[in-house]
Amino acid sequence: GAGVSQSPSNKVTEKGKDVELRCDPISGHTALYWYRQSLGQGLEFLIYFQGNSAPDKSGLPSDRFSAERTGGSVSTLTIQRTQQEDSAVYLCASSLVWGGGAVKTQYFGPGTRLLVL
Amino acid sequence: AQKVTQAQTEISVVEKEDVTLDCVYETRDTTYYLFWYKQPPSGELVFLIRRNSFDEQNEISGRYSWNFQKSTSSFNFTITASQVVDSAVYFCALSSSKETSGSRLTFGEGTQLTVNP
Repeated sequence: GAGVSQSPSNKVTEKGKDVELRCDPISGHTALYWYRQSLGQGLEFLIYFQGNSAPDKSGLPSDRFSAERTGGSVSTLTIQRTQQEDSAVYLCASSLVWGGGAVKTQYFGPGTRLLVL
Repeated sequence: AQKVTQAQTEISVVEKEDVTLDCVYETRDTTYYLFWYKQPPSGELVFLIRRNSFDEQNEISGRYSWNFQKSTSSFNFTITASQVVDSAVYFCALSSSKETSGSRLTFGEGTQLTVNP
């Protein structure tokens, strides 16, 4: 079946502009994660959605970052007033619902490469 | 807090050599899961293996094998008879089994493996 898809693949923007990154998870996966991969910080967790529960936003680096998930499927990560340090690859992953104490495997999309000039 | 350490930043081998990628983890949780992902030059993270903390059996999948030792908090990955196509960055990751944090992954810094013909 189809894997996790992300769009756009690449995004170049000017400092101060807002950007939206989209993630379409694997069908049937109710858990969705955003991570950021940058040269200085490695792979970092940003935010986690599980079904209709309140998202875990503990990894968001600042209040310029927000994310939503509509209809329990597609998610959008928004970065307002972008800064050069926001340049990174933003990765989305999805998994089956966590349950019974069993961690589920996350499957990743190809990522969005963001460059802030 | 959880932590994953991949001390080998870069490894370069000649094709057909065996190579072991080291992973050491730290966690206070008694139930946890360990993962290996491969990131080829295309950028997508590809899932390789998942192991839970109660299963210390080593696993072999073709040319890949994994050695999990709780006594040393290590989860090492060996590629036998390496091939040029194995060239990639390999990430070790850790996830605990706590509902409040979902299945978020804590990644190591990654090991860049280059297999030369």
